[in-house]
Formats: sequence, structure tokens, C-alpha cells
Amino acid sequence: KAGVTQTPRYLIKTRGQQVTLSCSPISGHRSVSWYQQTPGQGLQFLFEYFSETQRNKGNFPGRFSGRQFSNSRSEMNVSTLELGDSALYLCASTPRAGDYEQYFGPGTRLTVT
Amino acid sequence: GESVGLHLPTLSVQEGDNSIINCAYSNSASDYFIWYKQESGKGPQFIIDIRSNMDKRQGQRVTVLLNKTVKHLSLQIAATQPGDSAVYFCPFSGGYNKLIFGAGTRLAVHP
Repeated sequence: KAGVTQTPRYLIKTRGQQVTLSCSPISGHRSVSWYQQTPGQGLQFLFEYFSETQRNKGNFPGRFSGRQFSNSRSEMNVSTLELGDSALYLCASTPRAGDYEQYFGPGTRLTVT
Repeated sequence: GESVGLHLPTLSVQEGDNSIINCAYSNSASDYFIWYKQESGKGPQFIIDIRSNMDKRQGQRVTVLLNKTVKHLSLQIAATQPGDSAVYFCPFSGGYNKLIFGAGTRLAVHP
């Protein structure tokens, strides 16, 4: 089975722009979670989607949003980018709700200049 | 200005030695306790979990010990190899597939 794929892998944006990141879960997985990883804050949960519904959200401003499509693929969007949004954005998929064993993708490295 | 990163405790071991990575937890209501590792340039990877009604669980070269009395979790890696070099996390569940990660422990394996 193919693993979790994330596109693009690297991205450079300018402050004030917006960005959309994509995540394709493992085939058959219905839950997708997103995390932000920075040297200063570590790994922080952004949100989780299951069957196109957002079930859980982390403590991030409304500039961070996401969605999940009927094929379980997910996107996250960050509007009005700030320098502090520079981070590795990771998505993880699981086949069911309540799974602790999450399968992470390689991440998208976003740099905001 | 200079950015300050998270302080990651580091465990340095010689190749072939056994490693013990410790984790203190606060949420006694967890049904499971879990370990992840993150190698450089990769996303985190699930290693092993243990149910809250167990004290010990063994996997391939890894053993997890749970001491609920002192709220302590440990991961033991036998015959540590260079490929074990990574940051190790013991996240806990925040519900609905939300994992809450701490800073982690860096394991450095030296030849």
C-alpha cells in the first residue's frame, strides 16, 4: 500500500499570501489529522477530519482551515501568512475513529519570507 | 532576534547497548499509552502501544513498561542500532484522533 502523500513537499511564500497544502491518506483510511511542527513549539495538532466532518480542532487562529473530500483526501489552507507560520506541516491518516496508530506523511516544509 | 527552540533531552548510547527512554504522564484516564519516533527528515512513526491494564508489552527489540503508580512510561530498545537514532515521543490522546505531543527525547547512537 502506498503511504500518506503530501504535496507540495516544499513551498516558499511571502507574508500576506495564502497557501493550500494537500494530503492523500492511505487507501481506505477515513480520518486525516493535520499537525504543525516548529522548533519552538514542537508538534501541535491543527485539526482532524473524519468522513468529511471536522471533529476536533487545535488552538490555532481562524486563518488556519481545512477540509476533507469524499475520497478522504484533505487540504489545509492558511490565509494571510505570517513569518511565524513557517513550519513543517504534517498530515496523518488512520482507518478508523479513535485510532492511536496514525500514519504520517513526510510533511510539507513551508517557508514564509 | 534569536529563536529559542524546545529543550530536547538527549540520550547518547553506544551501538549495541540497550537504551531506556522515559516519559512521565499526567492523564491517568488514558486507555492506551503510545510511543512514536521521528527520524530526521521524516514524519513521526508509531512504534508500540500498551493498554492501561498492562504493565509490560514487548515488540521487536522494544519493550514498553507502564508504572501507573508513579505515572511513568518507559521504552526500552535492545541492541540499539544507528537506525534507532531519532526523537522519541510519548504523546497522549486528546480525543478524536488528536495526539498531544511533548518535546520528545533525542536518542543519539554512536558507533
